[in-house]
Amino acid sequence: EVQLLESGGGLVQPGGSLRLSCVASGFTFSSYAMSWVRQAPGKGLEWVSGIRGSDDSTYYADSVKGRFTISRDNSKNTLYLQMKSLRAEDTALYYCAKPRGDGYNFGAFHVWGQGTMVTVSS
Amino acid sequence: QSVLTQPPSVSGAPGQRVTISCTGSSSNIGPGYDVHWYQQFPGTAPKLLLYGNSIRPSGVPDRFSGSKSGTSASLAITGLQAEDEADYYCQSYDSSLSASVFGGGTKLTVL
Repeated sequence: EVQLLESGGGLVQPGGSLRLSCVASGFTFSSYAMSWVRQAPGKGLEWVSGIRGSDDSTYYADSVKGRFTISRDNSKNTLYLQMKSLRAEDTALYYCAKPRGDGYNFGAFHVWGQGTMVTVSS
Repeated sequence: QSVLTQPPSVSGAPGQRVTISCTGSSSNIGPGYDVHWYQQFPGTAPKLLLYGNSIRPSGVPDRFSGSKSGTSASLAITGLQAEDEADYYCQSYDSSLSASVFGGGTKLTVL
């Protein structure tokens, strides 16, 4: 069974840092691009960042560019999101998501984790 | 302000047909980037409902269908059921942003 399990969320002060992890199982992790998608309380979905499986190229939403860094460790089947200079508006449930493939790298997410909550507050 | 525009809410009676629009631009839906649709119930992760504009993953009822024309896409739900009450999101890729983008979401209410 294909599964994604996020961890690392928590309460952090504005300006602080946090690293999220997503452990994948049930598929060849290195073969797929992976993404982080967040959802602020009561709000819609926002794609945050993605990383290709083929060459580790990284992509970011403008709202997090320069503050967040996505990476992966294929030997550990793990996706990471390093978050720095956190702001109140980064408060959200952060999902790890896997695309179907079929040529879609950062869309058609057919597997989602349960999410990990990040709260930025003093 | 989302790059892809959806109506905040739609509603319909059981058995009716409803559509949800997703309006983009020449840098996302327009140039031929595919649109994907998700269904989300409160407190749960989104579920892929349609991909590649109109393809249903295994297990998705054929009451759900999608289309794309120009810089817009639509999700249609026929034979509306109470269990369809959820939030729906469209997604595509934006070449000017080099990023994946979601619509703001549409809350479907079954009357």
